[in-house]
Amino acid sequence: AQRVTQPEKLLSVFKGAPVELKCNYSYSGSPELFWYVQYSRQRLQLLLRHISRESIKGFTADLNKGETSFHLKKPFAQEEDSAMYYCALAKTSGSRLTFGEGTQLTVNP
Amino acid sequence: NAGVTQTPKFRVLKTGQSMTLLCAQDMNHEYMYWYRQDPGMGLRLIHYSVGEGTTAKGEVPDGYNVSRLKKQNFLLGLESAAPSQTSVYFCASRLTGFNQPQHFGDGTRLSIL
Repeated sequence: AQRVTQPEKLLSVFKGAPVELKCNYSYSGSPELFWYVQYSRQRLQLLLRHISRESIKGFTADLNKGETSFHLKKPFAQEEDSAMYYCALAKTSGSRLTFGEGTQLTVNP
Repeated sequence: NAGVTQTPKFRVLKTGQSMTLLCAQDMNHEYMYWYRQDPGMGLRLIHYSVGEGTTAKGEVPDGYNVSRLKKQNFLLGLESAAPSQTSVYFCASRLTGFNQPQHFGDGTRLSIL
C-alpha cells in the first residue's frame, strides 16, 4: 500500500529565510503527487502538483523518484505562508488520495 | 459557482445520537470523498464514491455510512455517535482523469459529548 510521510509536524522559520517542507512516499508505481495548503480555519486548497511543474506563491516542488521524495521549497518565506501543509499521493489514475500527517509552518516576523 | 458546500458547519451531539452531514457540489464532478481531520493524523479517508449510486470504504469507515443518490450530493451518516468521532469532517470532489486535484469544502466541526 502507498504511504506518505512528512517527518516534521512543526516547522518554524523567520521571514525571508528559505523553507523546505519534506515529503517522502512509498509506492512502487508512478505516483501523482500534490501539495495542499490549509490556512487557519479555512478549507484545504491545492497548492501545486508535480505534473504541472509550476511555481505557486513562490513555492516549487520537484519529484525525485530515486529518493521517493517531493519536497516543497520556497527561497524567501513570508508571514502569510504560515499554514498547515499536506503532501498527498494518488496511484496512477487512481481515485483516492493518501495524505501525509501534515506540517504546520510558522513564519516569524 | 459555490464549489463544494458542507452543511452544517458546526454541531454538538450527545453520545448515541444520529446525524447526517451533507456535501453538495455544483461542478459536475464524478468523484466525491469524506475525510476526517484529527490533530497529528492528517486527513483520513472515511468513504468515497466514484459515481452516482456507488460508494466504497476508505481507511476508517467503521461507525459511518454514506449515500450518493444524486451525483451532486454525498451524505455522511453517523448512526450512533461516539466521542471518538469528534473531529473536523471534510468533503471533497474531483473530476475523473489523470492528475485531477480534489476540491474541498469548508469542513464541519463535530463534537460528541
